[in-house]
Amino acid sequence: AQSVTQLGSHVSVSEGALVLLRCNYSSSVPPYLFWYVQYPNQGLQLLLKYTSAATLVKGINGFEAEFKKSETSFHLTKPSAHMSDAAEYFCAVSPNAGGTSYGKLTFGQGTILTVHP
Amino acid sequence: DAGVIQSPRHEVTEMGQEVTLRCKPISGHNSLFWYRQTMMRGLELLIYFNNNVPIDDSGMPEDRFSAKMPNASFSTLKIQPSEPRDSAVYFCASSFGRSAQPQHFGDGTRLSIL
Repeated sequence: AQSVTQLGSHVSVSEGALVLLRCNYSSSVPPYLFWYVQYPNQGLQLLLKYTSAATLVKGINGFEAEFKKSETSFHLTKPSAHMSDAAEYFCAVSPNAGGTSYGKLTFGQGTILTVHP
Repeated sequence: DAGVIQSPRHEVTEMGQEVTLRCKPISGHNSLFWYRQTMMRGLELLIYFNNNVPIDDSGMPEDRFSAKMPNASFSTLKIQPSEPRDSAVYFCASSFGRSAQPQHFGDGTRLSIL
């Protein structure tokens, strides 16, 4: 069974600084991977997804993530944080193997990003 | 394009009352997921459907919880009787039901049981 681990439940950065949110997956076969963002009082919104087409994936709002099979990682980065990036971020995994998943995702525990002026 | 629509957005009711949460998935999506989110337990998958059929309800916490999907455009999550510990934000999400496809979330129902 697939699982994801997000290292750090809280990350704090200054405005303009690099954002790095960590996600490691556990799977016997490289899975499909997703990053979601949740702003206060809203649902989860898709930031980007990895579906084996390219290892560096660009998403919305200037975020990108790189799939590294050797490290079983899919870390989310943004070169320069903005105050509006303050939110909770979730990494999620879906199987990429035989069988039917029906689109079920396994989510990490989430990382709350705080951006200081 | 209309996203996943949930109603009501907020619900406050007294313990013991029946609560019904509603969800309209994105047209064309054939998988639907119900989640619960709390500070203590994070995001929990309660149940999911594919082509209107429940696939896995192992996340439903108790028999007080039930969910139905009578057709492709509507689902309900019911709690009867409700208890204060059911207070949470409940999300509905839908997708095309394949591994590479993302889920699309509604804005949630914030439920408070007094």
